[in-house]
Amino acid sequence: QVQLQDSGPGLVKPSETLSLTCTVSGGSISGYYWSWIRQPPGKGLEWIGYIYYSGSTNYNPSLKSRLTISVDTSKNQFSLKLSSVTAADTAMYYCARTNTMIGYFDYWGQGTLVTVSS
Amino acid sequence: DLQMTQSPSSLSASVGDRVTITCRASQSISSYLNWYQQKRGKAPNLLIYAASSLQSGVPSRFSGRGSGTDFTLTISSLQPEDFATYYCQQSYSTLRTFGQGTKVEIK
Repeated sequence: QVQLQDSGPGLVKPSETLSLTCTVSGGSISGYYWSWIRQPPGKGLEWIGYIYYSGSTNYNPSLKSRLTISVDTSKNQFSLKLSSVTAADTAMYYCARTNTMIGYFDYWGQGTLVTVSS
Repeated sequence: DLQMTQSPSSLSASVGDRVTITCRASQSISSYLNWYQQKRGKAPNLLIYAASSLQSGVPSRFSGRGSGTDFTLTISSLQPEDFATYYCQQSYSTLRTFGQGTKVEIK
């Protein structure tokens, strides 16, 4: 059974960089797209971007200038870096496996709540 | 951007009721429409993919229909564990977008 475990600091200061890592177990990272999705408290879901295991990426244009998603196939991990954060970036951040053909998210991490505050 | 609009935003229903949630896309997305259930404090869970295919392990009381711009998620007989928020998501565009969610509450 595929499992995703996301990890990273729960508190980030304004203007700094938010960094999260998602570790995939029970299956290979190869052959799939891997996404980050966020959800501000009490609000809906926003797709952030995805990376293919080969390293190609697709980002939400609203975040693209601040966003880097990377993959480390040797560790079965992929990572998110979001720079110059503000309070508007406060959210639960989820990692998710993305079906290559249809584009649905079939396995999700448990989520990491990231608060941007000084 | 491709906009996804769900209706209603919330509804109240009783155990055993038939419940239908609608999702409308701002342009045709063929059958690239997926549905998720999210319970409080949990990650979303995939219910339906490609508009009408039931994800493995999901009860058969959940069903999806539609193509083009109009889609529905139906729960044939609402169970206590179905009270949650439901989201549609399009995977037609490279910019993936979700509907705003429909909260299903106990009547």
